[in-house]
Amino acid sequence: GENVEQHPSTLSVQEGDSAVIKCTYSDSASNYFPWYKQELGKRPQLIIDIRSNVGEKKDQRIAVTLNKTAKHFSLHITETQPEDSAVYFCAASKNNYGQNFVFGPGTRLSVLP
Amino acid sequence: NAGVTQTPKFQVLKTGQSMTLQCAQDMNHNSMYWYRQDPGMGLRLIYYSASEGTTDKGEVPNGYNVSRLNKREFSLRLESAAPSQTSVYFCASSEANHRIRNSPLHFGNGTRLTVT
Repeated sequence: GENVEQHPSTLSVQEGDSAVIKCTYSDSASNYFPWYKQELGKRPQLIIDIRSNVGEKKDQRIAVTLNKTAKHFSLHITETQPEDSAVYFCAASKNNYGQNFVFGPGTRLSVLP
Repeated sequence: NAGVTQTPKFQVLKTGQSMTLQCAQDMNHNSMYWYRQDPGMGLRLIYYSASEGTTDKGEVPNGYNVSRLNKREFSLRLESAAPSQTSVYFCASSEANHRIRNSPLHFGNGTRLTVT
């Protein structure tokens, strides 16, 4: 089955710097890759997603890149702010009925003021 | 529009007790899911339901049962709780069906369960 690895497990950056989180997946049939942000004690919330027919997607300060050949995708946050501090999860799913998502173990991002 | 609603928010059980976690969504979504979240292990799928009347096992189904009561509701039952089931449980839904693919998950607020 699918296996998703995520690095780093923790990341500290200064406010205003950029943060990059990387994920790799094992199943070449996976074709949808969402990213979720989870603040302490809250539910995971979708922040950006990318489909396998696209190499990059951007939404204001957040971008995601996908390399299908290497089977990895990355989250880029620019101009980080203290409110970006949270745990970020990547996920992968296949285009099958039922859409079984597999999540990475998460990255705890701390933005230091 | 409440989204995905889970009850209860907190629960403490003794080993061997049973309970049902309730989940309802008001977004007319087709698929519903139960995940558990443990420190350092991300979110692991317990069971999912791709449509009303169908359920399928996920990565960690042992010790759990589910019921897709109707399109809105998807419950998770622990028949005989064990300390290893101490976790945070999230219900989620998505639009995904046989025609709609690649649809994101929408999560409820979670149930924090402790089994002593």
